Amino acid sequence: EADIYQTPRYLVIGTGKKITLECSQTMGHDKMYWYQQDPGMELHLIHYSYGVNSTEKGDLSSESTVSRIRTEHFPLTLESARPSHTSQYLCASSEARPLGTEAFFGQGTRLTVV
Amino acid sequence: AQRVTQPEKLLSVFKGAPVELKCNYSYSGSPELFWYVQYSRQRLQLLLRHISRESIKGFTADLNKGETSFHLKKPFAQEEDSAMYYCALGGGGNKLTFGTGTQLKVEL
Repeated sequence: EADIYQTPRYLVIGTGKKITLECSQTMGHDKMYWYQQDPGMELHLIHYSYGVNSTEKGDLSSESTVSRIRTEHFPLTLESARPSHTSQYLCASSEARPLGTEAFFGQGTRLTVV
Repeated sequence: AQRVTQPEKLLSVFKGAPVELKCNYSYSGSPELFWYVQYSRQRLQLLLRHISRESIKGFTADLNKGETSFHLKKPFAQEEDSAMYYCALGGGGNKLTFGTGTQLKVEL
């Protein structure tokens, strides 16, 4: 079934550790996004990608990095986790065309850095 | 730069009352506007988009370019409408920017 998957769902990790949040979609979408969302707060776009080998930083500055080596895979990496990185991270994907196309979201990864 | 403003963090209405969730946007180009909804313990999902001019679950939203608004309306609120609603702006073909969200609570 076509879907977008995020792993892990929950992660508690110590300060200074390197982490990678996985996001994969089986819908063949060109565009993918990473959002950061604190509880009850707005979604902040931190990274997006138009397609393979294209990535851009979003509106909110983030110490994380992303890569897009394959269409279906858009992992997010934090080289050295800090408590300020504690948040929920949402991955989404959409077609490039037509206009007004829907973005599909994953279940999210709730990250806690202690 | 593109920006979405949702002035209300929480909107509480009684069942059967009309609902209006406000959304204003700032964008210099031709905007694509959406309403997304997140029910308790579920994923964020699309509710409706301005380009379709459709009614979903009784909700409608009209793009008013003069007022740069895209308010979400429903004439009679139902208990199952309680959720978090986000207005979103697609601009420049690639970015999708969300507002801060409005928590709608429908009381019996």
